[in-house]
Amino acid sequence: SAVISQKPSRDICQRGTSLTIQCQVDSQVTMMFWYRQQPGQSLTLIATANQGSEATYESGFVIDKFPISRPNLTFSTLTVSNMSPEDSSIYLCSVGQGLSGANVLTFGAGSRLTVL
Amino acid sequence: EDQVTQSPEALRLQEGESSSLNCSYTVSGLRGLFWYRQDPGKGPEFLFTLYSAGEEKEKERLKATLTKKESFLHITAPKPEDSATYLCAVISGTYKYIFGTGTRLKVLA
Repeated sequence: SAVISQKPSRDICQRGTSLTIQCQVDSQVTMMFWYRQQPGQSLTLIATANQGSEATYESGFVIDKFPISRPNLTFSTLTVSNMSPEDSSIYLCSVGQGLSGANVLTFGAGSRLTVL
Repeated sequence: EDQVTQSPEALRLQEGESSSLNCSYTVSGLRGLFWYRQDPGKGPEFLFTLYSAGEEKEKERLKATLTKKESFLHITAPKPEDSATYLCAVISGTYKYIFGTGTRLKVLA
């Protein structure tokens, strides 16, 4: 299965600032997924990043707040913009594996952000 | 509305004390049900996929089963290293991944 490296692993940020999270995969993948995991809540998909096209955002998430880049088939970034304490969360990068639509997901270790 | 509910939220077991975790789901056109394990500071790690009612999968002390409404993760004679959060997820007919909130398992030596 793919190996995913995410950084930073954790950070403490000030309100109003932005932070970019990087995700590197050891193999080429078509789609990369960005999830948010808040305490006591389920994993929530933020967006799907496709190489060569705009990311597809889920309901409740917008590009101005969570801009995503996907410059090639092994790398993606998620920026959390103009952060507020409500953005404190774990952000996870993942890729799907398998040829069918019911894919197993492989996740990075996550980036734990704390916004003061 | 597609939904996944896991119970209990947290579970404490003595080493060797077998138990089961529950995942109830409401989804249109189930394409698969997944169990993941998540350790602190790490991303979820895949355990099992189940596709149809009656299907069972086993791995070491873990056994996953599936009915038309729920799945169980049975843990037989657990060890402290089985302590983790166990996440259940389904893929709907529209290929949407829906996760439950997880069960935090603590196995005491």
